[in-house]
Amino acid sequence: EAQVTQNPRYLITVTGKKLTVTCSQNMNHEYMSWYRQDPGLGLRQIYYSMNVEVTDKGDVPEGYKVSRKEKRNFPLILESPSPNQTSLYFCASSSTRSYNEQFFGPGTRLTVL
Amino acid sequence: AQSVAQPEDQVNVAEGNPLTVKCTYSVSGNPYLFWYVQYPNRGLQFLLKYITGDNLVKGSYGFEAEFNKSQTSFHLKKPSALVSDSALYFCAVRDAYNYGQNFVFGPGTRLSVLP
Repeated sequence: EAQVTQNPRYLITVTGKKLTVTCSQNMNHEYMSWYRQDPGLGLRQIYYSMNVEVTDKGDVPEGYKVSRKEKRNFPLILESPSPNQTSLYFCASSSTRSYNEQFFGPGTRLTVL
Repeated sequence: AQSVAQPEDQVNVAEGNPLTVKCTYSVSGNPYLFWYVQYPNRGLQFLLKYITGDNLVKGSYGFEAEFNKSQTSFHLKKPSALVSDSALYFCAVRDAYNYGQNFVFGPGTRLSVLP
């Protein structure tokens, strides 16, 4: 089954404790992206990657890091999480054609205390 | 810069009535336009998209959307709403000629279909 998976689905952590949210897709997509969803703000893009070893900032990259060492994986790293990073996070992927829709993972709900 | 507006935070409609969820966009080039739906505790699911051609696009679950270039709109419609259509709907745009550009999403519209 074609899918995007994220882990963990739920995470409660404390300020400053480094964490990684994993994202993996099995569709051989070149393009992958991370979003955060906050009430009233919709989805805002954090980082995206157009292929292996190619990443770029989205609209809200501060406080986040990403890497793309393999085509299928695109982890999101919070080196020192803060409470304002409490949010619902989605990973998405698509093929290189700009007219292709993105496939979304199930989401990771992160709470930073 | 690209932007998407969804002017209504909430749309309420009675079951069996037609529904419309509004979306307007701004993009420098030609737009690729998308609608997604999000059910509670789920990720976003793709509904339909406009790339080129016929301005009326048909998608999943009986939804359709009409592209209007002069009004820069891409409203989502369904002739007869179901209670199960209640969800959060997002419109998104991408510049057709700039693949490096992000997808930009609107803030979302919550649709409630009342029995």
